Amino acid sequence: AQKVTQAQTEISVVEKEDVTLDCVYETRDTTYYLFWYKQPPSGELVFLIRRNSFDEQNEISGRYSWNFQKSTSSFNFTITASQVVDSAVYFCAHGDNAGNMLTFGGGTRLMVKP
Amino acid sequence: DSGVTQTPKHLITATGQRVTLRCSPRSGDLSVYWYQQSLDQGLQFLIQYYNGEERAKGNILERFSAQQFPDLHSELNLSSLELGDSALYFCASSDTGGVNEKLFFGSGTQLSVL
Repeated sequence: AQKVTQAQTEISVVEKEDVTLDCVYETRDTTYYLFWYKQPPSGELVFLIRRNSFDEQNEISGRYSWNFQKSTSSFNFTITASQVVDSAVYFCAHGDNAGNMLTFGGGTRLMVKP
Repeated sequence: DSGVTQTPKHLITATGQRVTLRCSPRSGDLSVYWYQQSLDQGLQFLIQYYNGEERAKGNILERFSAQQFPDLHSELNLSSLELGDSALYFCASSDTGGVNEKLFFGSGTQLSVL
């Protein structure tokens, strides 16, 4: 069975600091997908990124970047120059090969203080 | 706004009762997923429907059932409610049957069982 671990339950930073959210996964699938979702205080989960297991290229989108390392089974998420609006709970998730079920990590609550 | 509509937003009921949660997917999306978010269990996949047919089942209790109607809206029925069923229930949709696509989540139904 798949397992996703987000060891950091809560992180607090001051605005403009860089912050990295860790995600480690366990899987027996050779083909799989990894995701990050954001849950702002309003409650709705918002898709941020999807990676498949064959694509280890890092990705950057504005202030957000993702580092996928298959060798360490990690898919970390970095926010550069954090802003108060980044305050949310962030979830890492694994999608199985059959494509039917997302396994979520426990989430990391990020608090960005002004 | 994700385009996924969930009603009601809040539901307060007593143990032993039965409730129905409703979800309207994004226009054109054929697949509906139900997730439960609780403090102790985190985000857990319950069940998926695709174009009216059950496609995948996760950790859904026997007291819970779901269906997807011809107009593609879905209902999650929770019966013989227990205190531990108190949680935020999310519906998500995607245009294909594969969860490895981007999921669009509704804002959830907060269920409180007293």
